[in-house]
This record gives sequence, C-alpha cells and structure tokens, in this order.
Amino acid sequence: DQQVKQNSPSLSVQEGRISILNCDYTNSMFDYFLWYKKYPAEGPTFLISISSIKDKNEDGRFTVFLNKSAKHLSLHIVPSQPGDSAVYFCAASVGGSQGNLIFGKGTKLSVKP
Amino acid sequence: NAGVMQNPRHLVRRRGQEARLRCSPMKGHSHVYWYRQLPEEGLKFMVYLQKENIIDESGMPKERFSAEFPKEGPSILRIQQVVRGDSAAYFCASSPTLAGGHNEQFFGPGTRLTVL
Repeated sequence: DQQVKQNSPSLSVQEGRISILNCDYTNSMFDYFLWYKKYPAEGPTFLISISSIKDKNEDGRFTVFLNKSAKHLSLHIVPSQPGDSAVYFCAASVGGSQGNLIFGKGTKLSVKP
Repeated sequence: NAGVMQNPRHLVRRRGQEARLRCSPMKGHSHVYWYRQLPEEGLKFMVYLQKENIIDESGMPKERFSAEFPKEGPSILRIQQVVRGDSAAYFCASSPTLAGGHNEQFFGPGTRLTVL
C-alpha cells in the first residue's frame, strides 16, 4: 500500500515558468512533510519541509503548500531553471519517536531552456 | 562540514557472498537511517539506529540483513548470502538529535550494489 503517492512520473516545463509538483498521502497520522531533489547517481538533497500545523512554507523560489483536508501537498518552483531538472521526491513522517520517512516514487522534472 | 559519507560507492558481489556497506553520519548527528531504492521506485525505509541501539528495524528483511551503529566508527549495513534481488541503491541518512520534534534527514551519495 502506497501511503505517499506522486501520480505524475514526469513533468516538462519551460524555463522561467512555474513548476508544480503534486503529492497525495493516505495516512492521517503524518504530521511532517518534506521534499527532496535527486540527481542521477547522487543521494537525495533536502529542499523544503512543512509541519502539519502550517499550510504554506516558502524558501526562495520554492514554496510548499499543504491541504490537510484533501491530504495533498504541492511544491511550486518559480521561476523554473534548467538546473532544477531532477527527480523530486515527496516524503512524510509521523511525529514522536518514529524517525523513518515514507517516500513517494518521485516525479522527474525537465526544465527546457 | 563533511556531509554524510558512504563507501563503497559501487559494490559488485556474486550470489552467496556478503556485502558490507558503510555510512559515516554528518558531524554532530547521532541518528542514522538506511533506505533502499529499487529501479523506478522511491526510497524504502529499512532501519533507524542511534549509537549502539537499533530503534526501528521494521523495514528490514527478516533474514540475511543486519545493521549496527557502534560506539566508535561508521554504521554498517550487512547483507549475507546476497541474491540478485538485493541489487539496488542503498542510501544512508543522518539527522541531529530529535528533541520531541522533527529533523530533516541528510542523505549520503549511496552505495550501488550489483549482484551477479
């Protein structure tokens, strides 16, 4: 059972436009969400996170939105740059002593010049 | 300011051999996590360790896999009698001490295990 779902395997965007990556989850116990970016043959790099007590978190060109009622979050990248081309993973965790992250399968973003 | 270090980066083993994967967490981090990524899949949690303690091993296969994080030295993920299905990328992550809240996990570059 996939608790964190990224339904779009790939996304192509023109440079300078907005990229919107989506993520849905099923476990209502999740209270912390993260986005990671991954280049081939490298480990995931942390991008941005959001706690369930918030509905938005912004860091430079990256903004994450959380809609708890819909169990949905999204990552907005604006403006998109060719260097943003990578696989983006959504991850979630439950608070307290549990430390493991549950990952989605990823969305491959291609930003065309 | 070294990040999470993993070695080897690539490991080739024949069926039945043992694989040992090493992970040194970021300086100041006392929590280590191991994840496995199969082709076209997301990362799957395997085990969560603190120094000399296994906190959560709910993602570890029941047989042939073990992990440790000794008082001194790196964390080790050990796979005995490897099979072709063990071929994957294995990532280690570390985080600072949890203080009742959440911490981001920082990942190493991974070890790509190929079983012939």
